[in-house]
Amino acid sequence: NAGVTQTPKFQVLKTGQSMTLQCAQDMNHNSMYWYRQDPGMGLRLIYYSASEGTTDKGEVPNGYNVSRLNKREFSLRLESAAPSQTSVYFCASSGGGQRGPNQPQHFGDGTRLSIL
Amino acid sequence: LAKTTQPISMDSYEGQEVNITCSHNNIATNDYITWYQQFPSQGPRFIIQGYKTKVTNEVASLFIPADRKSSTLSLPRVSLSDTAVYYCPLMNTGFQKLVFGTGTRLLVSP
Repeated sequence: NAGVTQTPKFQVLKTGQSMTLQCAQDMNHNSMYWYRQDPGMGLRLIYYSASEGTTDKGEVPNGYNVSRLNKREFSLRLESAAPSQTSVYFCASSGGGQRGPNQPQHFGDGTRLSIL
Repeated sequence: LAKTTQPISMDSYEGQEVNITCSHNNIATNDYITWYQQFPSQGPRFIIQGYKTKVTNEVASLFIPADRKSSTLSLPRVSLSDTAVYYCPLMNTGFQKLVFGTGTRLLVSP
């Protein structure tokens, strides 16, 4: 099983450009999440989707949009990239729903994004 | 969700037991305590979770006192491959969200 797959792994953008980060999971999980991690810091939640068809803001949603395309895929879009969005972005998924409320999150290996 | 507080770093040697503490004074009734491990250039990996008392799995033990305001992750007989950053985010049962602190950087030396 691949688990959580993120594409691309690396990207360099210019200020003002737009980009979509892709995330897919093959574990039939209900919930999916996007985090960012800045140097020396823990992960901060950007957006999450508790189930297919729903999305909610996390701790740092400004400057981002998300789409839960289907149960497998959850994308993160930067409409007008800014240098402050330079970070490592992680996608995660968890079972939830009928599997019970306390399912651990499974993370991808991240997208390293630099904005010049 | 409350953020947790951990020591910034810890050092140990191969074969020793390591105990990493986490403070969560504002933990809510429906919060679970979870621990994740992160290696460089990888996403966090789930280690263990608990609500109260002691939980043990094949890689670690988690000790939670009665007041639940702190917890301790115990790694028996660490090896070089246990060098990583360890996080103890709380998970709210209702919202299924995690709030990460800055983590503890564990360095295991030969």
